Order: sequence, then C-alpha cells, then structure tokens
Amino acid sequence: GESVGLHLPTLSVQEGDNSIINCAYSNSASDYFIWYKQESGKGPQFIIDIRSNMDKRQGQRVTVLLNKTVKHLSLQIAATQPGDSAVYFCAENINAYNTDKLIFGTGTRLQVFP
Amino acid sequence: EAQVTQNPRYLITVTGKKLTVTCSQNMNHEYMSWYRQDPGLGLRQIYYSMNVEVTDKGDVPEGYKVSRKEKRNFPLILESPSPNQTSLYFCASSRSTTNEKLFFGSGTQLSVL
Repeated sequence: GESVGLHLPTLSVQEGDNSIINCAYSNSASDYFIWYKQESGKGPQFIIDIRSNMDKRQGQRVTVLLNKTVKHLSLQIAATQPGDSAVYFCAENINAYNTDKLIFGTGTRLQVFP
Repeated sequence: EAQVTQNPRYLITVTGKKLTVTCSQNMNHEYMSWYRQDPGLGLRQIYYSMNVEVTDKGDVPEGYKVSRKEKRNFPLILESPSPNQTSLYFCASSRSTTNEKLFFGSGTQLSVL
C-alpha cells in the first residue's frame, strides 16, 4: 500500500507472475482515480483510470479495481515483465465547491526479478 | 507527438538568483499545472491554470509565480530561490480539469545552493 515515510514500500515479483499494487484513498466523494507509472528519471506516465461509477476497468495487461465501500483501489499487472519495474502511484480526484483537485499517493516500488 | 516539454532538465543555482522553468504543451489543453516531488511526500501542486490568463494557487505556492499568456505555455518563476525549493518539478496538462487524464513532462531537477 501507500506510505507516508521516506522509504517507499516495495513489491518484488518474479518475471511472469502477476503483480497487485494497492492504494487506500481518503475521500468518499472522490469521483475519478488514476494509476501512474514513474520510471527512474522520468515523468509520471498514465497507465489506466476509472470513474467512481465503475468497479473494474481493464487495459492491456492491467486491471484497476475500485472498492468504494472500503475506499480501496488496486492495480493488477498480468505477466509482469522487467520493463514494468518502476514506482506506481495512485491519484484521486476530489470535486469540492465545483473545483477539481487531484491528490497523489506516495507510491509503491515494483521490482521484477528474473 | 503529443507531449509536455519542460526546460531545463537539470538546473543548479544559488540562493536569490531568479530563474524560470519553461513548460509547453502541444495538445491544445486548457488545464496546466506545476507540481513538485519530494521524497516521501508525493506530488504537491504549486499553481494551476484553467485557461489563458487564469491562474490559481495550489497547495504550496509560496516562493513561486506563474503566468499563462498563451494556451500552450505555462512558465514557473522563482523570483528569489531558496534551498528549500530544491526539488524535482513537473509540469502537467489535461484537456479541461484534473477529472481527466493528466499528461506530465519529463521533469526539472532543481538544486538551490
């Protein structure tokens, strides 16, 4: 899950296995959620998004699950590859007073070993 | 290719010397934003702009200025940089608001000595 400390939580998986990265979000009024991938020395790269009226959305090798009851978001990566090694973080969009605001998590480091 | 371009990629400066980090997007996006990324804190919003000539403070605006004179450009200005502004900065844009996919630049690593 997400961390507020200086050291990111790390998920180590073997190449070919499935990865599950979790995120707990804070606001029950959040209406839009995004997962980003950030490789070393690069900017965050969009992976997949989901709106609050959905529970599940699938992309290519990735699936996002949204559980609004417990305010939990997960990213599943199928058949994890070395190129998937990166920091992954979630973001939630909160609409308050007719203004959108995106809140970012601190991230989980995914390490893929052969 | 659709992209957000930031310059420079790396910048080392001294306290008090004014600097500008440029940001440009070629997607005709209305919304642009600046974030800083520090270890353990995630991305924090500095300033954002909903459209030309419309800018608003984010969560950590102190010590920064922005302008949005053209739709494609959104420079970040540090009038008198201080060491606590040493950070990794990202510019981002989206079609209308943060309720849509946000595209990020490659980042600017700033060190203030």
